[in-house]
Amino acid sequence: DTEVTQTPKHLVMGMTNKKSLKCEQHMGHRAMYWYKQKAKKPPELMFVYSYEKLSINESVPSRFSPECPNSSLLNLHLHALQPEDSALYLCASSQDQNWLVAFFGQGTRLTVV
Amino acid sequence: KQEVTQIPAALSVPEGENLVLNCSFTDSAIYNLQWFRQDPGKGLTSLLLIQSSQREQTSGRLNASLDKSSGRSTLYIAASQPGDSATYLCAVIGPNAGGTSYGKLTFGQGTILTVHP
Repeated sequence: DTEVTQTPKHLVMGMTNKKSLKCEQHMGHRAMYWYKQKAKKPPELMFVYSYEKLSINESVPSRFSPECPNSSLLNLHLHALQPEDSALYLCASSQDQNWLVAFFGQGTRLTVV
Repeated sequence: KQEVTQIPAALSVPEGENLVLNCSFTDSAIYNLQWFRQDPGKGLTSLLLIQSSQREQTSGRLNASLDKSSGRSTLYIAASQPGDSATYLCAVIGPNAGGTSYGKLTFGQGTILTVHP
């Protein structure tokens, strides 16, 4: 199994809603990542988890809250988002933080209304 | 700060042509370079990974080369097909301030490829 699975595929939420994005991998990878991609732009790193601990936070607003409950799962909790947060959110994993190969999920298309 | 540039930004060709996509990076101290494919609204699919000690990698009709000293990589697509239409992204990873790599790929802006029948 070389897949990174993200759910849901699409999400529409209001600015007062609380929602969560989920990411799962069963490759035994110990590093997991959240990226944000706006239309016609390359992905931008948000967070890195290494061995279930937050390793890197690229100055992301607190309305985005990551969580890594175990080595296979990564969540991104969303609260009080703004319309400009609408984007494709991509999860990735690698063997560890000193990675050589990245595997990406298919993304969650988020629309904030 | 590492910067990655991809040329051309967009390319439209008839089916069957051989293509070259270019990627350049400003800091040659990289650990690897990875080429990805992205279909509209979808995630990234890894095509080829070239480690810094390698000069090229091949997979089917795809061949990627790396000239680390000059900061360049090319992705060669042979006998292009309409199914190759997608955005192709080049990304590099190199050492951070602590001297070890971490999961911050630096992406180029991508090349949008259209192969028409």
